Amino acid sequence: AQKVTQAQTEISVVEKEDVTLDCVYETRDTTYYLFWYKQPPSGELVFLIRRNSFDEQNEISGRYSWNFQKSTSSFNFTITASQVVDSAVYFCALTAEGDYKLSFGAGTTVTVRA
Amino acid sequence: DAEITQSPRHKITETGRQVTLACHQTWNHNNMFWYRQDLGHGLRLIHYSYGVHDTNKGEVSDGYSVSRSNTEDLPLTLESAASSQTSVYFCASSDTQTDTQYFGPGTRLTVL
Repeated sequence: AQKVTQAQTEISVVEKEDVTLDCVYETRDTTYYLFWYKQPPSGELVFLIRRNSFDEQNEISGRYSWNFQKSTSSFNFTITASQVVDSAVYFCALTAEGDYKLSFGAGTTVTVRA
Repeated sequence: DAEITQSPRHKITETGRQVTLACHQTWNHNNMFWYRQDLGHGLRLIHYSYGVHDTNKGEVSDGYSVSRSNTEDLPLTLESAASSQTSVYFCASSDTQTDTQYFGPGTRLTVL
């Protein structure tokens, strides 16, 4: 069985602070994919990133960066210099190769105050 | 541009009525999924399909059904709506190359 844990329920920061969202996963599969999605207050679910289990390179996209560590089964997400528009619920998800179904974490609500 | 749409966006119905929520994608994806999102429960999988005429039950399938007659559509039917089915419903699709699911805008369903 696969499991994704996002231990942080809510995080509140002041604009321009950095914020890191933790994601820990469990799987017995050797090939799997990890995802992050953003759900802003408007409600839609927006795909942010996909990472396969063989690629442990960190990734940076603008103010967003992701740290994948297979040794600790973690796929953490950092927002640098946060902005009010970053306020959203962020979900981490996992699927095994060929499974196609996603196992979602419970989500972390990020509130960025001006 | 390819997209995934859901209709209606909002629906109010009464207990016991049959309700169908539409999901249409133009990505030409084989895989389609229905989720419900409730406070405190995150996203829960209701039904999914890996291709035409293929349907499978997810973790919360009781009271719901789907059918897949073509690649583009996966309608979700509530056979006899119950107040416990008041929720926001999301449809998603993915291809078999990347497993990345793309979501529709959601349907907010209220059962009175």
